Amino acid sequence: QQPVQSPQAVILREGEDAVINCSSSKALYSVHWYRQKHGEAPIFLMILLKGGEQKGHDKISASFNEKKQQSSLYLTASQLSYSGTYFCGTDPNSNFGNEKLTFGTGTRLTIIP
Amino acid sequence: DAMVIQNPRYQVTQFGKPVTLSCSQTLNHNVMYWYQQKSSQAPKLLFHYYDKDFNNEADTPDNFQSRRPNTSFCFLDIRSPGLGDAAMYLCATSRDPGGRSGEQYFGPGTRLTVT
Repeated sequence: QQPVQSPQAVILREGEDAVINCSSSKALYSVHWYRQKHGEAPIFLMILLKGGEQKGHDKISASFNEKKQQSSLYLTASQLSYSGTYFCGTDPNSNFGNEKLTFGTGTRLTIIP
Repeated sequence: DAMVIQNPRYQVTQFGKPVTLSCSQTLNHNVMYWYQQKSSQAPKLLFHYYDKDFNNEADTPDNFQSRRPNTSFCFLDIRSPGLGDAAMYLCATSRDPGGRSGEQYFGPGTRLTVT
């Protein structure tokens, strides 16, 4: 089943913070986050692995709670370049050799000046 | 410096006329994926190759086939395109399957129009 993201869409002013949530009905081994601008390919942001680790770089960070089967992406002091649709991609705790990502429902983020 | 290349970028085909989309990579990654993405939706995995091992998603229509003749190239064949197959087709690669070791690198996509 497809992971559910919330919110579906959000509009922020430049400099404001945002949180995007991803919730799965399946146990997870890892969570990916990608950003896709209109008409372009998804671009990788980060991976989080089982263990509840929190990762980040610059002003974008994320957390992963495998017990709750949830991940959150945190965007701090948003910039115009952050606009796009954000997808989580989840990898269930499956056997080696048949792993694959199921992408979430997506969150459209619009940053306005 | 292109890493994942897809050709053509835009493809128009007629209803029922077979079409082939191609993907090549310069990353020497052992995994290649094909996704279908319809407007305002998430990419949906059609199938993937781990080296030469082909993995088909259960809900991928039989109309969709794939070939991977070598590490660098992968093809998506749509045998009899229907209007519902109009979409962006994304090719991606990764060093290892899923999220175990690294990110997926996406190509720019081929936008398929069916008339």
